[in-house]
Amino acid sequence: AAGVIQSPRHLIKEKRETATLKCYPIPRHDTVYWYQQGPGQDPQFLISFYEKMQSDKGSIPDRFSAQQFSDYHSELNMSSLELGDSALYFCASSGAGGPQETQYFGPGTRLLVL
Amino acid sequence: GDSVTQMEGPVTLSEEAFLTINCTYTATGYPSLFWYVQYPGEGLQLLLKATKADDKGSNKGFEATYRKETTSFHLEKGSVQVSDSAVYFCALSDAGAGGTSYGKLTFGQGTILTVHP
Repeated sequence: AAGVIQSPRHLIKEKRETATLKCYPIPRHDTVYWYQQGPGQDPQFLISFYEKMQSDKGSIPDRFSAQQFSDYHSELNMSSLELGDSALYFCASSGAGGPQETQYFGPGTRLLVL
Repeated sequence: GDSVTQMEGPVTLSEEAFLTINCTYTATGYPSLFWYVQYPGEGLQLLLKATKADDKGSNKGFEATYRKETTSFHLEKGSVQVSDSAVYFCALSDAGAGGTSYGKLTFGQGTILTVHP
């Protein structure tokens, strides 16, 4: 079965640079969630989209922005990167049954900021 | 706000031992409850879930029962294997009736399980 695809899998950036993370949900899934997992931490919700509209917002810094496109893929844009942004970034998608649907996670993008 | 508390870890067991990982939650509505597993270097995989009181989720020998009266969702397995070594996360989604979220997951702090042969 098709799974959530994230790219790139690994990314190394310098401080103050920008990064773009991409997420391709499971086919026919219309909701995308982004989470950030710091080293040894639990995943923290950043932002979500339903039918290309932002549906919820968590602890996402103002330096970050995200959107969902017409083909339902999503991109997380991160600017003015800081050392503390080094983390594993997960995307999850869920089906058309609404927010109570189970979320399926991608393998994550590991971002290292030097 | 919503919160999930897991038993402090890490947990180290011998193969075929009984496993319990405690999880309790606080939520404003009537949440759905999940256990996710994360193997080293990998993403989160759904292990099991329960969406209403007294529901029992089960998968791969793991079980958890949604206890509304004690706001708990403890994970159990009767006989663990070396391959069960991973980090286990309890999570809730408060998107149901009376809930305040649009489906976001709130995770516990994770429990590292190591199983020795």
